[in-house]
Amino acid sequence: EADIYQTPRYLVIGTGKKITLECSQTMGHDKMYWYQQDPGMELHLIHYSYGVNSTEKGDLSSESTVSRIRTEHFPLTLESARPSHTSQYLCASSESLGQGPGNEQFFGPGTRLTVL
Amino acid sequence: AQKVTQAQTEISVVEKEDVTLDCVYETRDTTYYLFWYKQPPSGELVFLIRRNSFDEQNEISGRYSWNFQKSTSSFNFTITASQVVDSAVYFCALSEVNTGNQFYFGTGTSLTVIP
Repeated sequence: EADIYQTPRYLVIGTGKKITLECSQTMGHDKMYWYQQDPGMELHLIHYSYGVNSTEKGDLSSESTVSRIRTEHFPLTLESARPSHTSQYLCASSESLGQGPGNEQFFGPGTRLTVL
Repeated sequence: AQKVTQAQTEISVVEKEDVTLDCVYETRDTTYYLFWYKQPPSGELVFLIRRNSFDEQNEISGRYSWNFQKSTSSFNFTITASQVVDSAVYFCALSEVNTGNQFYFGTGTSLTVIP
């Protein structure tokens, strides 16, 4: 069973607010990811990290930023939320060892963000 | 270009029918991995299976089976005797050695099993 947590699960917020979506995993995984997903649609990678102090942008351009100060923690921040940011945000992690790119990603429950 | 194509957007079947979800992938790597995930209405993605490019042996797990064919670049997923609990969105994904552990997801197939 995956041990990856996201808070909050649901967030409704007004335009212009700064928000941070939390993601934590207790599996000691080096690699962590943030995906954006509109309801019933495909997942788009927006950020990833291969370890502490390592962050990269994904394929989908995003106005959000991330940080990786601790292995277990990978928060995502929106400095000024807009209605176009309304979506589901999924956090995932995977091991570096073993099969490397063959390692499955474990997903958190997601945060459903609504910006009014 | 889309690396993973799931041409079936939505499928509805009556309970106990068999259903096959299609997945076609595109890669130039000789070493790659394919995955299937299930996303129930709760939203969390659940890992179902991984297959590497050197193992074309089909796999069966209970009512689930997977057919990997490199010749047609396909990795199809069959549910036998479907149940209402199988209703979910199913995603196929590709991971290439040259891009580390970055996953390329298909657009998903929404399966509805009607009681």
